[in-house]
Amino acid sequence: GIQVEQSPPDLILQEGANSTLRCNFSDSVNNLQWFHQNPWGQLINLFYIPSGTKQNGRLSATTVATERYSLLYISSSQTTDSGVYFCAVYTGNQFYFGTGTSLTVIP
Amino acid sequence: DVKVTQSSRYLVKRTGEKVFLECVQDMDHENMFWYRQDPGLGLRLIYFSYDVKMKEKGDIPEGYSVSREKKERFSLILESASTNQTSMYLCASSSLMAGPTGELFFGEGSRLTVL
Repeated sequence: GIQVEQSPPDLILQEGANSTLRCNFSDSVNNLQWFHQNPWGQLINLFYIPSGTKQNGRLSATTVATERYSLLYISSSQTTDSGVYFCAVYTGNQFYFGTGTSLTVIP
Repeated sequence: DVKVTQSSRYLVKRTGEKVFLECVQDMDHENMFWYRQDPGLGLRLIYFSYDVKMKEKGDIPEGYSVSREKKERFSLILESASTNQTSMYLCASSSLMAGPTGELFFGEGSRLTVL
């Protein structure tokens, strides 16, 4: 099946800093989403972004489908941004998840 | 807003018990999924369903079964729970009407401990 790789695996930031998370995938996909898993375990939708760029407040995402990668930007990070960020791609009849980036924002 | 509701946030069961995990979505989605999440292994697909009474095996179906008698409800069943099924279980749904690329929505998760 398709391989989905996320980097970095772990990230520690000072509050207020900016960061970029990356998701690489090994084959063409129909769909790409970014999720944030909060400390209680729920995955919250951030972006549905098969291609192009979207912004939502301090977060933005860009997917370059032809080059098989997506980036999630977090600006002016806050402690509430802590958690694990996953990208997921859809191909065939399944969603495939990356192993996540664990983000810790310290005050 | 789409809401996916899982019946129990935390469960503790004994080895050999039959366990039911229930999931209900309120957006008339055709597709529903059950995943388990374990440290270091990420999310792994157990079963999915794209219609009432339809089911497809995912990557790790062994030890599990599912039931989808109504469109909004997708149940995961552990016929005889074992300690290696201690995990976080996540239910999700997506629409088929948006094409096979519909956005995926998750429930809050059910953390199961088997003693």
